[in-house]
Amino acid sequence: GQNIDQPTEMTATEGAIVQINCTYQTSGFNGLFWYQQHAGEAPTFLSYNVLDGLEEKGRFSSFLSRSKGYSYLLLKELQMKDSASYLCAVRGYNQGGKLIFGQGTELSVKP
Amino acid sequence: KAGVTQTPRYLIKTRGQQVTLSCSPISGHRSVSWYQQTPGQGLQFLFEYFSETQRNKGNFPGRFSGRQFSNSRSEMNVSTLELGDSALYLCASTHEAGANVLTFGAGSRLTVL
Repeated sequence: GQNIDQPTEMTATEGAIVQINCTYQTSGFNGLFWYQQHAGEAPTFLSYNVLDGLEEKGRFSSFLSRSKGYSYLLLKELQMKDSASYLCAVRGYNQGGKLIFGQGTELSVKP
Repeated sequence: KAGVTQTPRYLIKTRGQQVTLSCSPISGHRSVSWYQQTPGQGLQFLFEYFSETQRNKGNFPGRFSGRQFSNSRSEMNVSTLELGDSALYLCASTHEAGANVLTFGAGSRLTVL
């Protein structure tokens, strides 16, 4: 089967750094995605990892360890607009547009 | 470049009715996927269409169906609506190259009374 776990809620302070963890179990693996979703809006793509290691993109970085079934999203220099739900999703082999999503982590950034 | 367009954005139906939702992918994208999002279950995969053929299917009952047209536009239909079908229905398209990143539309919010 397939299972994705991430914390339900997190709170952080403006200007700080926050790490959102994601663990997964899948029968096959062909990439891990992070999406951001503001309330009432569509999910927007943040990052993609298919090989082990760190991918950095501005204030956002994502890490993957395939052997551990583990990923994290690192957000630096937090801003109030970063308050949103962060979704971890995994694609299996030959699954095209089929992603298995975690429940999402609701991040609240406080002043 | 226009994004993924979904219509209607909001709709209200009663139990037993049926509904059809439409999705126009980004120009040049041939893969369209549909997801259901609810507070309790999160984002769940319904089905994916590529070149007018269903390529993948999630674990939803047969009341949920879809199709794709030659211009890659897609529709999904839900028949005999139940209260539990109330949800945000999201459509996403991909370019089928590189990371195959899904780009989502704004969604159609269905309320079943």
